[in-house]
Amino acid sequence: KAGVTQTPRYLIKTRGQQVTLSCSPISGHRSVSWYQQTPGQGLQFLFEYFSETQRNKGNFPGRFSGRQFSNSRSEMNVSTLELGDSALYLCASSLEPPTYEQYFGPGTRLTVT
Amino acid sequence: TQLLEQSPQFLSIQEGENLTVYCNSSSVFSSLQWYRQEPGEGPVLLVTVVTGGEVKKLKRLTFQFGDARKDSSLHITAAQPGDTGLYLCAGLFSGGGADGLTFGKGTHLIIQP
Repeated sequence: KAGVTQTPRYLIKTRGQQVTLSCSPISGHRSVSWYQQTPGQGLQFLFEYFSETQRNKGNFPGRFSGRQFSNSRSEMNVSTLELGDSALYLCASSLEPPTYEQYFGPGTRLTVT
Repeated sequence: TQLLEQSPQFLSIQEGENLTVYCNSSSVFSSLQWYRQEPGEGPVLLVTVVTGGEVKKLKRLTFQFGDARKDSSLHITAAQPGDTGLYLCAGLFSGGGADGLTFGKGTHLIIQP
């Protein structure tokens, strides 16, 4: 079974621009979560989508948004990029509760200049 | 906001030595997961523990969940260079789910040949 895929793997953007990242979950996984990973803050939860609905949301500004399609593929968007948005963005898919075990993709390395 | 504290933050040891890393919180977990992340990749799930006092073994890795379900440890026997990586614990708190999993900042482990 194919793993979680993310595109692109690397991205360089300028402050003020916006960016869209894509994630394809493991076949059969309907839950997709997004995380931001930085050296200082570690892995931080952005949001989770299930059946095209945002089910949970972390403590991030409204510039961070996402969506999920009927085939469970997901995208996240960051508008008005700031230097502090430079990070590794990880997507993870999972089966249903109760443990929410996460199967991560390789991530998208975003650099904002 | 629930916090997970991982210690030590960094650990560098020689091949063949034993080591233990820790994951602690003041709150009770309903379950806890351990992941290993290698540079440039997403975290990979190692194990999930659910029951207080539970011990799980994965080859040379032994995972223990505290009786009160507030802490966990990972013990590696006869460490090998392939064990090098960032070890993350992630807790799902009792009554939680709305914020997804909470990750610790991890232990950076280097095994020197």
